[in-house]
Amino acid sequence: QVQLVESGGGVVQPGRALRLSCEASGFTFSSYSMHWVRQAPGRGLEGVAVISYDGSNKYYADSVKGRFTISRDNSKNTLYLQMNSLRPEDTAVYYCARDSIPEKFDYWGQGTLVTVSS
Amino acid sequence: SYELTQPPSVSVSPGQTARITCSGDALPKKYAYWYQQKSGRAPVLVIYEDTKRPSGIPERFSGSSSGTMATLTISGAQVEDEADYYCYSTDTSGNQGGVFGGGTKLTVL
Repeated sequence: QVQLVESGGGVVQPGRALRLSCEASGFTFSSYSMHWVRQAPGRGLEGVAVISYDGSNKYYADSVKGRFTISRDNSKNTLYLQMNSLRPEDTAVYYCARDSIPEKFDYWGQGTLVTVSS
Repeated sequence: SYELTQPPSVSVSPGQTARITCSGDALPKKYAYWYQQKSGRAPVLVIYEDTKRPSGIPERFSGSSSGTMATLTISGAQVEDEADYYCYSTDTSGNQGGVFGGGTKLTVL
């Protein structure tokens, strides 16, 4: 069965960095684009970044452009999000999601909480 | 930047029909997708490509789209359908990211 398991969240001070991971299993990871989606406490969903199946194309939301980097290691079936220069407004649950055609986000991880606070 | 607009809340009694709308300028040309999120849980896809229902999603969930508005309909809403619902779509710029609507809290009581 398809599984996506995020890790790497925690409490971090403003200006510091954190790297999230999303380990995939149960499907051919290298065939799918992948997304990071976040949800601030009590707020809605926000797409953060997307990476193509082979890592050749990446897209970022304006709110994280220049600070966050999405990457993947298809040999390890793992998606990453490197988050630098973190701000309090980056506090959120971060989900990874599989981008299927035609279903779009058909599988999501359980989420990992990132708290940016001094 | 592109926006999708949803009503903040919808309330129905059990057994009634709930309709949640999503408006966006690109919806005449782009598909809408709908996600259900129950408290503390990850979102679940309930409708894709405007009208299609994934396997395992009850038949009472349906979708439609006309002009700049997409609609999620829950026919005979049940208490367990109480959740936040989000639409998702893309604009016509070729931007890969897409956007989510602000979400609609469905109350069934």
